[in-house]
Amino acid sequence: GEDVEQSLFLSVREGDSSVINCTYTDSSSTYLYWYKQEPGAGLQLLTYIFSNMDMKQDQRLTVLLNKKDKHLSLRIADTQTGDSAIYFCAESSRIDAGNMLTFGGGTRLMVKP
Amino acid sequence: ETGVTQTPRHLVMGMTNKKSLKCEQHLGHNAMYWYKQSAKKPLELMFVYSLEERVENNSVPSRFSPECPNSSHLFLHLHTLQPEDSALYLCASSQGGGAGNTIYFGEGSWLTVV
Repeated sequence: GEDVEQSLFLSVREGDSSVINCTYTDSSSTYLYWYKQEPGAGLQLLTYIFSNMDMKQDQRLTVLLNKKDKHLSLRIADTQTGDSAIYFCAESSRIDAGNMLTFGGGTRLMVKP
Repeated sequence: ETGVTQTPRHLVMGMTNKKSLKCEQHLGHNAMYWYKQSAKKPLELMFVYSLEERVENNSVPSRFSPECPNSSHLFLHLHTLQPEDSALYLCASSQGGGAGNTIYFGEGSWLTVV
């Protein structure tokens, strides 16, 4: 089946940039997503990118997609302590009118003051 | 507020109990999902309903029984669960045909089976 892989942990200092990486195996992926999960909460959609795009920027977030290498990254500029959370990469496969996401295991971002 | 509301937020049940998780979406979407998040595995898709019909069932045990009475409501009926079913159950919704069919998640229901 399809696989989505992420490193487990990332630690950065407040004000630095964070880069969270993700690799996937399904070459037919149409959309790729980044979700954020804070402790005790559900998943919050951060951003998504179409598979025909290389880059998408949204305020402090930059998503880079290398479709050839099946590599997705999320860069958070000027990382704040409030960015500490688990970040999930996901890729989608359409089924009928719905959407089926395959998630990575999540990367825990710790931001040190 | 994500537009997807789940109740209860926390549930403790015995292995012989019957309980239900409820989800309601206020986004006008036509597809709803149940995902399971446990400590040792990535998020797993359990069920997908599109236009109130079940589209996908990833061979989830029959002790989990979904119900989708209309496009805004989704239930997960639980009976004779096992301790390993303790997890965070996330409901989600999306609008078919829209750009990216972006999925929006609820806050989740924490289930503990004792």
